[in-house]
Amino acid sequence: QKEVEQNSGPLSVPEGAIASLNCTYSDRGSQSFFWYRQYSGKSPELIMSIYSNGDKEDGRFTAQLNKASQYVSLLIRDSQPSDSATYLCAVNQGGKLIFGQGTELSVKP
Amino acid sequence: GAVVSQHPSWVICKSGTSVKIECRSLDFQATTMFWYRQFPKQSLMLMATSNEGSKATYEQGVEKDKFLINHASLTLSTLTVTSAHPEDSSFYICSARTGSEYEQYFGPGTRLTVT
Repeated sequence: QKEVEQNSGPLSVPEGAIASLNCTYSDRGSQSFFWYRQYSGKSPELIMSIYSNGDKEDGRFTAQLNKASQYVSLLIRDSQPSDSATYLCAVNQGGKLIFGQGTELSVKP
Repeated sequence: GAVVSQHPSWVICKSGTSVKIECRSLDFQATTMFWYRQFPKQSLMLMATSNEGSKATYEQGVEKDKFLINHASLTLSTLTVTSAHPEDSSFYICSARTGSEYEQYFGPGTRLTVT
């Protein structure tokens, strides 16, 4: 079992729709969770961090964390073509980030 | 804030030569810096963790004599790929973290091609 798992996609949504990205992790002791966006050929960019159970909203992005289910998700409302990228879920373990393999999102105009 | 730079952004070198990549935190002091490698269509692979003034900690399978890491100050870390081979061609990305937070901020990456 991989430590951090994501659906590789590609996930295709129409412009204006909600994109839902999911991530599960294996270490029940993990406390810090992150979503990064990576455009093709570029380095990752931090979008959201979440530490507590529940929802955290920042603009069009909402991160959701459920530690009991070892599940973290990212919702993107009003998806735009510029949101098309690979989204990486990362979990802090012992001061290091463990990354999932990423979910490729394509937003169609 | 939280800007990390890398230099060079791309480099082509001949097999057997060495290449140095610099990573700088521009507007904060980075107590810890990380070096990753990413092959096409794959996720980031952590190579090593470096703390200012101490030896780097390498991940299993990463040759410490081949990938030399120096974290000489709170704003600068360097990765030297020694005796580079074509299989070392990859996208090398550094990240930096302050002492009080777990967020890592990534540099723009260095694309290395070994011919």
